[in-house]
Amino acid sequence: EAQVTQNPRYLITVTGKKLTVTCSQNMNHEYMSWYRQDPGLGLRQIYYSMNVEVTDKGDVPEGYKVSRKEKRNFPLILESPSPNQTSLYFCASSSPAGGLETQYFGPGTRLLVL
Amino acid sequence: AQKVTQAQTEISVVEKEDVTLDCVYETRDTTYYLFWYKQPPSGELVFLIRRNSFDEQNEISGRYSWNFQKSTSSFNFTITASQVVDSAVYFCALNSWGAQKLVFGQGTRLTINP
Repeated sequence: EAQVTQNPRYLITVTGKKLTVTCSQNMNHEYMSWYRQDPGLGLRQIYYSMNVEVTDKGDVPEGYKVSRKEKRNFPLILESPSPNQTSLYFCASSSPAGGLETQYFGPGTRLLVL
Repeated sequence: AQKVTQAQTEISVVEKEDVTLDCVYETRDTTYYLFWYKQPPSGELVFLIRRNSFDEQNEISGRYSWNFQKSTSSFNFTITASQVVDSAVYFCALNSWGAQKLVFGQGTRLTINP
């Protein structure tokens, strides 16, 4: 079954404690992306990746890092989380890069930073 | 610049009523895609429809229909004979060809009361 998986699905942490949210897809997609969803703002892109070792900033990259060492994985790293990063996070993948005609979303990760 | 506006923050109707969710978009590109997603209370994003900018035909899928009008830059979504299971947050989104992201509207929370 074609899918995007995210882990963990729910996370409560404290300010400053580094965390990683994993994202994996089994569709051999070149393009992957991270979004955050906040009330009244919809979803906003954090980072995206066109292929292995190719990443770029989205609209709200501050406080986040990503890596793309393998095609299937695109982890989101919060080196020093702060309460304003409390949000619902979605990973997405699609193919081909350059045309997001069909984008697959993961189930979401709810993050609470105390 | 690309922008999507869903002016209706919340809508509440009684079951069996028809309801229309508005979506207005801005883009300078001639090639683009428009999307609607449903987010039920469980939080995942459910893909409903994708429309490319060259296809202005309206679409109907069961109780759902979409009205795409380039002249007014709108892509409205109508639910006929609404049901309680239609209660969700609905997002309209835009992808301009070559832009490596979806631009989402703020979302409309739809509540269908029995």
